[in-house]
Order: sequence, then structure tokens, then C-alpha cells
Amino acid sequence: EAQVTQNPRYLITVTGKKLTVTCSQNMNHEYMSWYRQDPGLGLRQIYYSMNVEVTDKGDVPEGYKVSRKEKRNFPLILESPSPNQTSLYFCASSIHRGYNEQFFGPGTRLTVL
Amino acid sequence: KNQVEQSPQSLIILEGKNCTLQCNYTVSPFSNLRWYKQDTGRGPVSLTIMTFSENTKSNGRYTATLDADTKQSSLHITASQLSDSASYICVVSGGGGADGLTFGKGTHLIIQP
Repeated sequence: EAQVTQNPRYLITVTGKKLTVTCSQNMNHEYMSWYRQDPGLGLRQIYYSMNVEVTDKGDVPEGYKVSRKEKRNFPLILESPSPNQTSLYFCASSIHRGYNEQFFGPGTRLTVL
Repeated sequence: KNQVEQSPQSLIILEGKNCTLQCNYTVSPFSNLRWYKQDTGRGPVSLTIMTFSENTKSNGRYTATLDADTKQSSLHITASQLSDSASYICVVSGGGGADGLTFGKGTHLIIQP
């Protein structure tokens, strides 16, 4: 089944404790992206990747890192999480940036205490 | 500034009724417009994608229209069902910015029995 998977789905952590949210897609998509979704603000892009080893900042990249060493994986790293990073996070992928349909993962609900 | 405005913010209708959601955008240049359905706590799922030359596109009981001259789109839901309760997000592709996608904040639709 074609899909985007994220892990973990739920995470409660404390300020400053490094964490990684994994994202994997099995559709051989070149383009992958991370979003956060907060009430009243909609989806906001954190980082995106056009292809392996090519990543770029989105609209709200502060406090996050990403890597794209393989085509299928695009982990999101929070080196020192803070409470303002409490949010619902989505990974997405598409064949290319642009026209193609974007497939979203199931989401990761992160709470930073 | 590239913007996507959706209205209404929220809507409650009775099961079986029709409804129309609106999306106005100022994104330029324009490539395509997408409507997504997002169930609570889940990732968005694509309903339709329309390019400049497409005026209407259907996906079952969902019909999207696009007027590229007035920069308006609508999503019409026919004979609503309880499962239509969700947020509906309009996304416009083609403008500048991080990866050329501008997201609306969504319309929260509730279908009552």
C-alpha cells in the first residue's frame, strides 16, 4: 500500500531533550516536506526536500533540523525542544514539487513540557 | 503577498443537505489549486487538483470549481453524510515562497444527523 508513515504518533517530552520524528514513504517520491499545524494557524511548512541531500527551509524552520540521506526517509530533529514546539506535525511527499498530488502522513502529536 | 482566504471558518449543516465552501486567493503566478479533506487528528487527503484551464472537477459527491479570472474557487458537497464532517483546506501552488505552496486555514464542517 502506498503510504507515508510517521513515528511516533504521540510523544510527550520535556524541554531540552533531543528527539527525532521519523518519516518514510514507499512511493519513490522525490519531494518531501514537514509541516506543523496549530489551532487557528493552519498548516505551516517547516522544511522541505526536493531530492536526496537537498533540503531547504520552509516558513517556520527555527528550532528544527532535517536530513535526507535516502530518498524514502526524511526525519525531523528537534535538538532542544521547547514548549512552543508543542504541535501536530505532518510529513508529506509527492513525485515532484508542483502539480503532483501531495500525500500526507498520519501525524505526530508532540507535547513539550 | 500570497494569500489564501477560506470562508466560512466553520459551518454546521444537517445530514443530506448540500453546502459550498469558498476559497479566494491572491497567489501569483498560479499553477494549480488543490482541495484537501482533513479528518480530526489525521493527515489531509487530496480531493481535487485543478490547473488554470480547468473550471470544474468532481470526486464523487465533491465538486470543485475554479474561476482563475476572479481568483476564486469553491467546493460543493452534495447530499452530505456524517463522514463529511472534517476540515477542508484549500492550497494554491505556483507563487513564490519556500516551496510555492500557500495554504488556507481551512473550513471546519460539521454534519449533524
